[in-house]
Amino acid sequence: QVQLQESGPGLVKPSQTLSLTCTVSGGSISSFDYYWSWIRQPPGKGLEWIGYIYSRGSTYYNPSLEGRLTISLATSKNQFSLKLTSVTAADTAVYYCARAQFYSDANGSSNYFDYWGQGTLVTVSS
Amino acid sequence: IQLTQSPSSLSASVGDRVTITCRASQGIRSYLAWYQQKPGKAPRLLIYAASTLQSGVPSRFSGSGSGTDFTLTVSSLQPEDFATYYCQQLDSYPFTFGQGTKLEIQ
Repeated sequence: QVQLQESGPGLVKPSQTLSLTCTVSGGSISSFDYYWSWIRQPPGKGLEWIGYIYSRGSTYYNPSLEGRLTISLATSKNQFSLKLTSVTAADTAVYYCARAQFYSDANGSSNYFDYWGQGTLVTVSS
Repeated sequence: IQLTQSPSSLSASVGDRVTITCRASQGIRSYLAWYQQKPGKAPRLLIYAASTLQSGVPSRFSGSGSGTDFTLTVSSLQPEDFATYYCQQLDSYPFTFGQGTKLEIQ
């Protein structure tokens, strides 16, 4: 059974960098067909896809965050990480890591997010 | 791509059949997923590829649609089904979610 667990500071000051790590157990992040993703949810609001990284290292970011965002792999530790720079109160949210499964069909290819971490609340405040 | 769910909230009773709609601002083929989220918990995948039931999800959940119009149906509501439901398009980047539909006990 694949499990994901987020870790990192729960409080970050404005203008500083938010850093989170997701540890994956029960499977290798180097496996083909998987993308490793971050999604966030401001308190009381909906879900926002942040971006993901393929097991071979290519990244796909939400343009709304591009320029501030880095997602990276640490394959030896079976972890992947999120760094978001220059944070403001608008970045306060529960941050989830998730596995995206790749699949293809007659029309093309896509993903679905089948395993999620429990989420970690990050508050941006001085 | 914007996804609009309707209704935003819904009151129903155990045993009811309910349908939630998700409309995309442009065609997304069949690249749509549905998730269930309970308070304080991570979303749970119910349906992917518009109509494929994720392993372990009860068969009372079903999905349909392609292009721009999609539906999630629960054939007979159980007490554990009262939650918020989100659709997500995975046709093109950035992936986006609907605003959510909160299903409450009547």
